[in-house]
Amino acid sequence: SQTIHQWPATLVQPVGSPLSLECTVEGTSNPNLYWYRQAAGRGLQLLFYSVGIGQISSEVPQNLSASRPQDRQFILSSKKLLLSDSGFYLCAWSPGGSYGYTFGSGTRLTVV
Amino acid sequence: DQQVKQNSPSLSVQEGRISILNCDYTNSMFDYFLWYKKYPAEGPTFLISISSIKDKNEDGRFTVFLNKSAKHLSLHIVPSQPGDSAVYFCAASASYNAGNMLTFGGGTRLMVKP
Repeated sequence: SQTIHQWPATLVQPVGSPLSLECTVEGTSNPNLYWYRQAAGRGLQLLFYSVGIGQISSEVPQNLSASRPQDRQFILSSKKLLLSDSGFYLCAWSPGGSYGYTFGSGTRLTVV
Repeated sequence: DQQVKQNSPSLSVQEGRISILNCDYTNSMFDYFLWYKKYPAEGPTFLISISSIKDKNEDGRFTVFLNKSAKHLSLHIVPSQPGDSAVYFCAASASYNAGNMLTFGGGTRLMVKP
């Protein structure tokens, strides 16, 4: 069966520090991968998606970047965090050609 | 521009009664719609979906209705249970979209009172 792992669960980082959130998927190959963010009291905003290794599409211009160094690994990064980067970050995957997303358990990021 | 909107940020319902959550969309290219349920500090989980070729899909206590002419869908939960208390997101996608991206609404917090 397929599983998705996302870590860490919570993170408190100072303004201006770097960020690296990791997401891995097991039990499938060539998944579509996604990073979403839920800001406080807001909906789910698509940040990045990837349909293959090294292929990253950005939906929203921002202080963040994403990389897919391996087929089942998706990383969200920032060189310098801003206060506005605080939120709940969610990784998700879907089989190619399917609309069924499976989400990870999320990372609560607080920038102080 | 929000392409998927859930205009009610919260809804309170008595246990055993019907919960109706609403969602409106603007993009006429959307042809697949989903509902997700989210508990605090957890990732959303898939609940039910509907293709644009249908106007109703039912799964146990959950039914999704789609009105394409009005660009409106709704989720009915009957009977509502306290365990249904969560945030519900509707989502939409278009088949031309190679990455199968979902566009989510802002969510509706459902509270089911015992």
